[in-house]
Amino acid sequence: GDSVTQKQGQVTLSEDDFLFINCTYSTTTYPTLLWYVQYLGQGPQLLLKVTTANNKGISRGFEATYDKGTTSFHLQKASVQESDSAVYFCALVPGGNYKPTFGKGTSLVVHP
Amino acid sequence: GPKVLQIPSHQIIDMGQMVTLNCDPVSNHLYFYWYKQILGQQMEFLVNFYNGKVMEKSKLFKDQFSVERPDGSYFTLKIQPTALEDSAVYFCASSTPQANTEVFFGKGTRLTVV
Repeated sequence: GDSVTQKQGQVTLSEDDFLFINCTYSTTTYPTLLWYVQYLGQGPQLLLKVTTANNKGISRGFEATYDKGTTSFHLQKASVQESDSAVYFCALVPGGNYKPTFGKGTSLVVHP
Repeated sequence: GPKVLQIPSHQIIDMGQMVTLNCDPVSNHLYFYWYKQILGQQMEFLVNFYNGKVMEKSKLFKDQFSVERPDGSYFTLKIQPTALEDSAVYFCASSTPQANTEVFFGKGTRLTVV
């Protein structure tokens, strides 16, 4: 079945550090790939999505490239801020389907 | 932006009792979902619902679970009877019936079964 793997449970950084969160996926379809962000006490909200292979999604300084060759969708940001502290979920929506399948999430803690 | 509202935000219930979690989805959305998140773990799909019917459900959607959305009212998740392992945060979500569309989530209901 469809699955999403996030190996990092927690990432701790200082402000202005570079962020990299690993995400790989497995599906037999042509999926849409997404990143959701969940702030404390909130529901997940869409950060960015990419529907086409080899395209890049960019939002609020975050970016992720849909790499079909390596089946990856890593999230990056050049310079994190304390306000970016949250849990980040990689997700996929299989082609022709509607419901997202989530990874385990990566908790980002940014110290001032 | 569009908002999914969940009521209540927190519910404490005795094991074996019935509980109903309420969700007010985005007004023009037709697909509805429930997800379960145990503290610190990933969000896991329970069920999705369209046109008055369950479209897909996971193995976590036990026989004690049911969903419905009577016309013009909340989309509900009912658990009867509840068990200790049902303690989690339950997120409701909704979307339009189009592929690759955004799914909007509520803030969740924290259910504690004691």
